[in-house]
Amino acid sequence: QQPVQSPQAVILREGEDAVINCSSSKALYSVHWYRQKHGEAPIFLMILLKGGEQKGHDKISASFNEKKQQSSLYLTASQLSYSGTYFCGTEYGGSQGNLIFGKGTKLSVKP
Amino acid sequence: DAGITQSPRHKVTETGTPVTLRCHQTENHRYMYWYRQDPGHGLRLIHYSYGVKDTDKGEVSDGYSVSRSKTEDFLLTLESATSSQTSVYFCAISEPGQGKNFGPGTRLTVT
Repeated sequence: QQPVQSPQAVILREGEDAVINCSSSKALYSVHWYRQKHGEAPIFLMILLKGGEQKGHDKISASFNEKKQQSSLYLTASQLSYSGTYFCGTEYGGSQGNLIFGKGTKLSVKP
Repeated sequence: DAGITQSPRHKVTETGTPVTLRCHQTENHRYMYWYRQDPGHGLRLIHYSYGVKDTDKGEVSDGYSVSRSKTEDFLLTLESATSSQTSVYFCAISEPGQGKNFGPGTRLTVT
């Protein structure tokens, strides 16, 4: 049931865009996105609920395709501060808010 | 002031000894969670609580127990520590439908 994230790693230059995908084999109730820097705790970015909505947060946005059971995180005009590992967490109906996290996507932004 | 703290932040212990990790919150959130994070596995749920004295198992609960006697405190106990329990442990809090706020983590080494 662990969601599959792709790519596993990506290297960008400042100002470039990136897309991180999170796919589930089971029907989703919601998808959470987190960023974690080395040696620190994960930080919540956004939550997308069943319904196919899209959310934005500065230059980071995400979409949720209910039909495909997939969520995508979009990082536009990347900044050095975007570097870190991005995790999606998937929630299924009746799970009391419990998330199953993907293995993460390591994003490195170079000057 | 941090809304969620963990203690201790670092601990080294010997195989076979009991260990208790503490999570303390000042946000009055209903849900509290214990995760472990290991390279290649992402974040995995150990136990969670949905109220005082209400707890349930997560996906990797063997060898761990929890207690929550007050809203603000959630304790994780390793009954007899093993080397496979060497990990970084994160506590998280949330309200239904909201993102999780993670504590700073506890790095546990079992020798």
